[in-house]
Amino acid sequence: DVVLTQSPLSLPVTLGQSASISCRSSQSLLYSDGNTYLNWFHQRPGQSPRRLIYKVFNRDSGVPERFSGSGSGTDFTLRISRVEAEDVGVYYCIQHTYWPHTFGPGTKVEIK
Amino acid sequence: EVQLVESGGRLVQPGGSLRLSCAASGPIFRRCWMSWIRQAPGKRPEWAAHTNPDGRDKYYVDPVKGRFTISKDNVENSLYLQMNSLRVDDTAVYYCVCWADQASLNFWGQGTLVTVSS
Repeated sequence: DVVLTQSPLSLPVTLGQSASISCRSSQSLLYSDGNTYLNWFHQRPGQSPRRLIYKVFNRDSGVPERFSGSGSGTDFTLRISRVEAEDVGVYYCIQHTYWPHTFGPGTKVEIK
Repeated sequence: EVQLVESGGRLVQPGGSLRLSCAASGPIFRRCWMSWIRQAPGKRPEWAAHTNPDGRDKYYVDPVKGRFTISKDNVENSLYLQMNSLRVDDTAVYYCVCWADQASLNFWGQGTLVTVSS
């Protein structure tokens, strides 16, 4: 199975500052169709996960521009510029290039 | 867009069976790859099962193979998960999830809680 590792696992941030989360895969996530199926999700306590970014850098509808994704192959980054209070929660990277699709361990973002 | 509403979760004894349902509304359901993704308390989510838009191709993670069956009904706009031989470690919130249009669209239900305990 593809293993995703995230760092850091805990991220205290100051409101208005930027934050970055790294996701590394145990193998390249580039699929034979030319797409890289690496997504980023955000989950608040008691809520369903919500996708923010798909195929590395594409923002989902309604996602603020302060969220951006980058990377290729095995190394990916989610960046949040100007963190707001509503951004707290757990962020997961997930891959669905290979079955079984897998989630990273999650990064808990909290406000300092 | 598609709205997804899960039902069927409850307390069940180890070894028991349960059938989860997911009612979908919206025109794109038949284009959806559908997943059942589960999340045990305090853990990361985990795929349980996955099926293609016409429901013919099905995929399962190893811990549920031979015990769970996913099915998709594009006439009734519904997704199901038949769960047999339930174990304590199957305890989780089970989410119904749609992936459509080369995964450019993604929708989740609110989840239904399955508790396996004696």
